[in-house]
Amino acid sequence: GAVVSQHPSRVICKSGTSVKIECRSLDFQATTMFWYRQFPKQSLMLMATSNEGSKATYEQGVEKDKFLINHASLTLSTLTVTSAHPEDSSFYICSARREVYNEQFFGPGTRLTVL
Amino acid sequence: GESVGLHLPTLSVQEGDNSIINCAYSNSASDYFIWYKQESGKGPQFIIDIRSNMDKRQGQRVTVLLNKTVKHLSLQIAATQPGDSAVYFCAENMFSGGYNKLIFGAGTRLAVHP
Repeated sequence: GAVVSQHPSRVICKSGTSVKIECRSLDFQATTMFWYRQFPKQSLMLMATSNEGSKATYEQGVEKDKFLINHASLTLSTLTVTSAHPEDSSFYICSARREVYNEQFFGPGTRLTVL
Repeated sequence: GESVGLHLPTLSVQEGDNSIINCAYSNSASDYFIWYKQESGKGPQFIIDIRSNMDKRQGQRVTVLLNKTVKHLSLQIAATQPGDSAVYFCAENMFSGGYNKLIFGAGTRLAVHP
C-alpha cells in the first residue's frame, strides 16, 4: 500500500506554454501533499506544501503565480508551471502525507524539459 | 534550512565492505529523521527512520545513528551490494509555518565496485 503516482512521467514543452503535473495518492487519503524540485546532481528542494481545500504554502523564493498548486481532493494535487522557460526544466517530485501514521510517501517524479 | 545547490560527494566502496554515509542537519528542534535512497530518474525510496528520542536504530543491513549534540546523522550499510549504488539523502522533519515538512540534506552518491 501507500502508493503515490505522478502524471506525466516526462514532458517536453515549448517556452511560454503552461504544463500541468498531477500527483495522486492511490490507496490513502492525503490532506497534505508536498512539491519538490530537483536539479541535476542536487538535492530535493521543497517548493510548497499543498493543503486540501485551502491555499498552498510556498517556500521562500518560490513564485506562487508561476507555480500554481491546486489540491482539489484528498487524493489529488496538481502543479501547473505557467509560462515555462528553459530554466524551469527540472525533475519535479511530489509526496503525500498519510496522516494516521504521519508518514510521507514520494511519487516517481516528472521530468520537465522546456525548449 | 533548505538544502542549497551543492554537487554531490561520492563514496566509493568495494562490494562486501561496509559503507558509512554522513549527514549534518540544520535544526536542533527537528524531531524525526529519515534516510532515503534515490536511483537515477526515480523518486526517493524510504530506507530507515529515527526519532529524536533515540540515538540508534537498526534495520535489515542498515543502521542509523543520531548525534543530537553535533546535529549529525549517519547511515551504515553492511555488506554493501552493487544494488545499493544510488544517491542517499537524509531528511529532517521540521515544524514550520504551521506544518510538518521534510527538508532534505545535500546527498551522497554511493558507488559500489565489484
